[in-house]
Amino acid sequence: EVQLLESGGGLVQPGGSLRLSCAASGFTFSSYGMSWVRQAPGKGLEWVSAIGGGGVTYYADSVTGRFTISRDNSKNTLYLQMNSLRAEDTAVYYCAMGGRIAAVGGGDWGQGTLVTVSS
Amino acid sequence: DVVMTQSPLSLPVTLGQPASISCRSSQSLVHSDGNTYLNWFQQRPGQSPRRLIYKVSNRDSGVSDRFSGSGSGTDFTLKISRVEAEDVGVYYCMQGTHWPLTFGGGTKVEIK
Repeated sequence: EVQLLESGGGLVQPGGSLRLSCAASGFTFSSYGMSWVRQAPGKGLEWVSAIGGGGVTYYADSVTGRFTISRDNSKNTLYLQMNSLRAEDTAVYYCAMGGRIAAVGGGDWGQGTLVTVSS
Repeated sequence: DVVMTQSPLSLPVTLGQPASISCRSSQSLVHSDGNTYLNWFQQRPGQSPRRLIYKVSNRDSGVSDRFSGSGSGTDFTLKISRVEAEDVGVYYCMQGTHWPLTFGGGTKVEIK
């Protein structure tokens, strides 16, 4: 059974940094791309970033240059380093299986981790 | 960026009746690898999103067979054959063919 457990969220001041983690289990992590998706309070879903199994990365325009996605296949963990945070980055962040979020078995998401950017 | 347009925004349905949600993309979602990366997600109140359908018509494990996806090119549909109370929530389509990936704005399904 695929399990994804996000962590690392919290309250941070504008301009600050935070690193999110996503611990994955139940599948061969190194064989799959992974994605981050976020949801601002009361809003819809927004794709943030993806990384391929080989390490190719993609970013939404809104986070390019500020966020960095990475992975540690030895730890089955996905990361999102978030710098220069803005109020509009406030959201619940989810990780998802598959760079295009179309991987077989990747239907269930974790509970997400809440990032609040406020002074 | 590919714009995903869902309709309707709100869908009041009677229990036991069918429901249908439309999703249209501003560009064809056929990838050069031959796949069409169109997914559907359900988000029940207070819960995390859950994928229901991937690559147009493939139902995720554990998803009721009351849910079905269809379509091609730029025009896609999610159908619920008989709506049950547990189907209340917001439904999103998402394209994974073109970078950046993009979601539709969501359709809120509620019981009449």
